[in-house]
Parts: sequence; C-alpha cells; structure tokens
Amino acid sequence: QSVLTQPPSVSGAPGQRVTISCTGSSSNIGAGYDVHWYHQVLGTAPKLVMYSNDNRPSGVPDRFSGSSSGASASLAITGLQAEDEGDYYCQSYDSRQSGNWVFGGGTKLTVL
Amino acid sequence: EVQLVESGGGLVQPGGSLKLSCAASEFTLNTYTMAWVRQAPGKGLEWVSGINLSSGNTYYTDSVQGRFLISSDTSRNTLYLQMNSLRAEDTALYYCVKNISPFKVWGQGTMVTVSS
Repeated sequence: QSVLTQPPSVSGAPGQRVTISCTGSSSNIGAGYDVHWYHQVLGTAPKLVMYSNDNRPSGVPDRFSGSSSGASASLAITGLQAEDEGDYYCQSYDSRQSGNWVFGGGTKLTVL
Repeated sequence: EVQLVESGGGLVQPGGSLKLSCAASEFTLNTYTMAWVRQAPGKGLEWVSGINLSSGNTYYTDSVQGRFLISSDTSRNTLYLQMNSLRAEDTALYYCVKNISPFKVWGQGTMVTVSS
C-alpha cells in the first residue's frame, strides 16, 4: 500500500479535461513537501511532467497544470490527446518513511 | 542531450549478487544527486537508493539497507549499484535517474530477475 494514494484509473474523451488526485498525510504533502508528477507510457521510462507542485518542465504543454493544498495534490490535463494516455505517478518526500522519497501507486489514464 | 544508459542486469539466484552500471553522458556526475528507482513487473515505482555526489551522502530504502551499495566512478562518469543477498522481491526493472526529487532524467532501465 502506497504512502500517497491515487485513483487506479481515470478516463476522458479527446478534448476533455481530467484530474488525477494524490492524497498524502501530515508527514509528506501535508507537511509542505513538494509534489512531482511523472507520466509513463507502456514499455518506456517515466518522464517528469510537473515539478514542485505547479511547475512544468520545458517541453511539457501548458495543457498540464498542477496544484497542492493541505495533504493533497492534483494534476489536471485539459484538451486531452491520445498521446496523454498512460500511467501517472505522484511523488513526494515523507519524513516518517525510511525510504524517504515516496511514490503514489499510479493512475492509468485512458483516452476514450 | 543528457543520456543515462544502464547495464548489468540479468538472471541471478536468490542470495546472489549483481552490479548495475549507469553510464552518463552530456553532464558530469559529480555535481549532481543521482538515484536508482525500480519497478517490479506490472507494479508501480519504488525509490531504492540515492547519492549526493557533492557531499558523498548515500541513502537507501529500508528493504535494501545493508544489502545494496550505491557508488560512482567519476573518471568513467558512471554510477553503480552493487546488489548483494538478492531476494525474489528485488526482481524489477532498475532505472538510473538524474537528480533526486524531482527525478528529472531517466534511463531506459536494466532488468534484474531473482529466481532459482
């Protein structure tokens, strides 16, 4: 069971908006530690798509946005495209875990 | 373009050892933090180990503490992960990653299978 909780799956039609939630606790997101997001297409390595809650790396379209409040964070994708399909993982730091850098369990995004 | 190329994975019996390598190009290892992150077949991501190459500080998740050793050879610009006393639950694709949290650039991974 992951320290950060994500929904197993979300879906949306092309052009629609979806959000992926990441729920933590007072020892990670709730303590103010940054949340980062990764996108993994089947059979390839993960790619950073959002860092420090709401910052997009160079090359990531502005259809992607992130936010964090309290012990939760979310990633929103507007104008869904087929290339957005795949698994999304949130990640943060946890002060109570000996494996300090923790990931969510992942959310599979399906573009219908 | 920054590139990380892992090697050294394979099939090993329980209790055995393997040493993974990660050759870095287009940047110099010794000014960055680096990490190993693994992914068991069909499962999610798990941070395994990290190193601050400026300070020399190393970090390990509980399940590998005392069994794995992260190191580097700056002359070869290469990161290593020495894995001893391997268990079935260590079976995974091991990624080498530039920077710790966020994990900025990922290699393609090398597969480690622990089985008799």
